[in-house]
Amino acid sequence: DTEVTQTPKHLVMGMTNKKSLKCEQHMGHRAMYWYKQKAKKPPELMFVYSYEKLSINESVPSRFSPECPNSSLLNLHLHALQPEDSALYLCASSQENAGNYGYTFGSGTRLTVV
Amino acid sequence: DQQVKQNSPSLSVQEGRISILNCDYTNSMFDYFLWYKKYPAEGPTFLISISSIKDKNEDGRFTVFLNKSAKHLSLHIVPSQPGDSAVYFCAASVYSGGGADGLTFGKGTHLIIQP
Repeated sequence: DTEVTQTPKHLVMGMTNKKSLKCEQHMGHRAMYWYKQKAKKPPELMFVYSYEKLSINESVPSRFSPECPNSSLLNLHLHALQPEDSALYLCASSQENAGNYGYTFGSGTRLTVV
Repeated sequence: DQQVKQNSPSLSVQEGRISILNCDYTNSMFDYFLWYKKYPAEGPTFLISISSIKDKNEDGRFTVFLNKSAKHLSLHIVPSQPGDSAVYFCAASVYSGGGADGLTFGKGTHLIIQP
């Protein structure tokens, strides 16, 4: 199994809603990541989890709350989002040093905030 | 300030010829450089990487060249095939040694292979 699975694939939510994005991998990777990609822009790093602990938070607003329940799962809890948060949210995983081996990305969740 | 730059938004190449995608960077601390390929509605797919201590890495039809003094790298695809049509992202990382590190991506180059 060499996949990173993200659910849901599409999500439309109102600004007062609470929702969660889910990511799962079974490759034994110990690092997991959330990226945000706006249209015609590169993916931008949001959070890095290493051995289930948050190691990097790129100054992301608190309306985005990551959670890593175990080494295979990574969630992103969403609350009180703004329309400008609409984007493709990508999850990725890697061995600890991704430089040599690269990341494995999921297909993403297309989020629309209305 | 963009640390990884891909100055060509798009590139059109004839099938069977060589495709050369370019990338420049400003952060001399980057340890690894990676190329990703992305189709619409899919996540990026890892293609090939190179360590900053090397100047060339080859994998099948894909070769990445690194010129550290010029802070420039390029991806060569030979021969180009129709299935290579996609957006190609250049990315870089700094190895902290203490754990996982994020990637910094360029804006991407849309490669179009013409029959």
